[in-house]
Amino acid sequence: DAKTTQPTSMDCAEGRAANLPCNHSTISGNEYVYWYRQIHSQGPQYIIHGLKNNETNEMASLIITEDRKSSTLILPHATLRDTAVYYCIVPVGNTPLVFGKGTRLSVIA
Amino acid sequence: SAVISQKPSRDICQRGTSLTIQCQVDSQVTMMFWYRQQPGQSLTLIATANQGSEATYESGFVIDKFPISRPNLTFSTLTVSNMSPEDSSIYLCSVAENYGYTFGSGTRLTVV
Repeated sequence: DAKTTQPTSMDCAEGRAANLPCNHSTISGNEYVYWYRQIHSQGPQYIIHGLKNNETNEMASLIITEDRKSSTLILPHATLRDTAVYYCIVPVGNTPLVFGKGTRLSVIA
Repeated sequence: SAVISQKPSRDICQRGTSLTIQCQVDSQVTMMFWYRQQPGQSLTLIATANQGSEATYESGFVIDKFPISRPNLTFSTLTVSNMSPEDSSIYLCSVAENYGYTFGSGTRLTVV
C-alpha cells in the first residue's frame, strides 16, 4: 500500500464539520483512496473512497487534491457517535488493507 | 454489501488451549482475510484465506499457530492454537468486494 500520514488525534465540537486530513504523496495514478473508521470494539466500517474526483455519500465527503497527494475526509455535522479512529488507506489492487495508526477523532458535546 | 457473521463474539480461554473462530458470509466472495488487533493497537493482517488451498500467511504468523480453513466461498475458520495471554486480542475476518472491503464485528479473545 502507498504510505499514508494522518494526525494522531483531533477534536471536533458536536454539530460542527470534522475535517480529517491524509497525506499520500506516493500514490500511483490508478490507486484509490479509501477511508474506514473503527468505533470502539467494533469492526472497521467503510466510509467512502475516491480516485481523483471529489466524492460524497450519506456519511461523508472526500476531497482529493488535484495532484492526488493528499485528501480530506469531511463529516459535515459531527455527532458524538462519530467518535472513532479514522483510517486513510491506499490499497494496491486487490491486496488486503494495511492499516496504519489512523486519526482518533473525539467529538465533544 | 456482504454481511459477515463471526462467532463467537467473545471468549475467555485457558492458556494452552485452542479456539476456533468462524466467519460466515451471506454471499460468495473470492478473497477473505483474517486480522488481529491487539489491545490499543491497529489491525494487523494475519493471512489471506484461499479457497481450496493453503492460506497465505504474513510475516510473523505461522500455520501451526494460526491454522486457517476455507472449505468454500462463503466460510472460513481461524484457529488460535496453544494460546498464551499474548494472544489476547480482537480477531476479525474481512472480505473484498467490488467497492472495497467489509469486516466482521470481531471476536474478542481473552486468554487467562
